[in-house]
Amino acid sequence: GENVEQHPSTLSVQEGDSAVIKCTYSDSASNYFPWYKQELGKRPQLIIDIRSNVGEKKDQRIAVTLNKTAKHFSLHITETQPEDSAVYFCAASVHAGGTSYGKLTFGQGTILTVHP
Amino acid sequence: DTGVSQDPRHKITKRGQNVTFRCDPISEHNRLYWYRQTLGQGPEFLTYFQNEAQLEKSRLLSDRFSAERPKGSFSTLEIQRTEQGDSAMYLCASSPRTSVGTQYFGPGTRLLVL
Repeated sequence: GENVEQHPSTLSVQEGDSAVIKCTYSDSASNYFPWYKQELGKRPQLIIDIRSNVGEKKDQRIAVTLNKTAKHFSLHITETQPEDSAVYFCAASVHAGGTSYGKLTFGQGTILTVHP
Repeated sequence: DTGVSQDPRHKITKRGQNVTFRCDPISEHNRLYWYRQTLGQGPEFLTYFQNEAQLEKSRLLSDRFSAERPKGSFSTLEIQRTEQGDSAMYLCASSPRTSVGTQYFGPGTRLLVL
């Protein structure tokens, strides 16, 4: 089955700096890669996603890049703010038919702390 | 709130008791997923429904776990003879027919087995 590795496990930055979180996946059939933000005691919130026919996607201060050959994808947050502090999870799934039905395999999470 | 809802939000039970959780997906979302999340880990897939059909179950889901989605709307997850290792956050997510893969999560049910 799919295995997703996420690094780093913790990341501490100063307000205004950039933050980068990296994930690798094992199943070359994976073709959908979402990122979730989870604040303490709250639900995972989808912040951005990318499909395998695209190499990069940007939404304001957040961007995701995908390298299918190397089987890795990254989350980039620019101009970080204290409210960006949370746990971030990457995930991967397959949406090309078959029997996977889109279940998400998550990374272990990155605790991001943005210091004012 | 038109998002995914779950009930109860918290459940404390004694080992050996049965518990049942409910998930109400976003209206008209035909796909529904259950995940389990333990402290410091990402969610782990448990089971998946497309409409009322349960199409996939994780090997994590022992015989003590059962899930239903009888009318293709809300879903229930039951754990029989709970064990301390069942303590976790149980998350439900739904996905629309028009955007395969995009999953929206509910707030979860936090289970503590004493």
